[in-house]
Amino acid sequence: DGGITQSPKYLFRKEGQNVTLSCEQNLNHDAMYWYRQDPGQGLRLIYYSQIVNDFQKGDIAEGYSVSREKKESFPLTVTSAQKNPTAFYLCATLSDRASNQPQHFGDGTRLSIL
Amino acid sequence: KQEVTQIPAALSVPEGENLVLNCSFTDSAIYNLQWFRQDPGKGLTSLLLIQSSQREQTSGRLNASLDKSSGRSTLYIAASQPGDSATYLCAVGPQGGKLIFGQGTELSVKP
Repeated sequence: DGGITQSPKYLFRKEGQNVTLSCEQNLNHDAMYWYRQDPGQGLRLIYYSQIVNDFQKGDIAEGYSVSREKKESFPLTVTSAQKNPTAFYLCATLSDRASNQPQHFGDGTRLSIL
Repeated sequence: KQEVTQIPAALSVPEGENLVLNCSFTDSAIYNLQWFRQDPGKGLTSLLLIQSSQREQTSGRLNASLDKSSGRSTLYIAASQPGDSATYLCAVGPQGGKLIFGQGTELSVKP
């Protein structure tokens, strides 16, 4: 099936630790996005990439890093500099940045602090 | 800076009722507006996308309207069912897919 796979589903982080969330897609979409969702709130954009080897900061990029070495993959690292990382993280894709098509979302990773 | 607001934050209705969810945005220079559904602990499922040049879109029992001049969109759900219970999110987008989301409306449809 074509889709977006996020792993792991649940992740726990210790103080001072970096953790990486995986997002893989087989939709052949150019653009990929990372959003953060806090309880009772909408999604906020962390980083996005519209083409391989290029990415831009979203509204809340501090304490996060990304890479886009392959079209299919857009991993997000939550660094120790992110002091409040507990949230639900969602990855999304879009066929191309000029597209007037809806974004596709993965099933998310829930990150908690130990 | 674009801001998106959804009212009400939560809504409970009896099965069979028609209902309207509201979304407002502050900057009318949008590329499109999307409505999504989110089930607990899950990702988002796209329901309807309205391009900036369109006034409405329909899919089954769902109808979404867009009035850019007033900065408003509504999602109309006809003959609601318990399976419609979920959180509904609207999002506006410039070209490029950098969506800006509202806080969502949590809908509960009681049998």
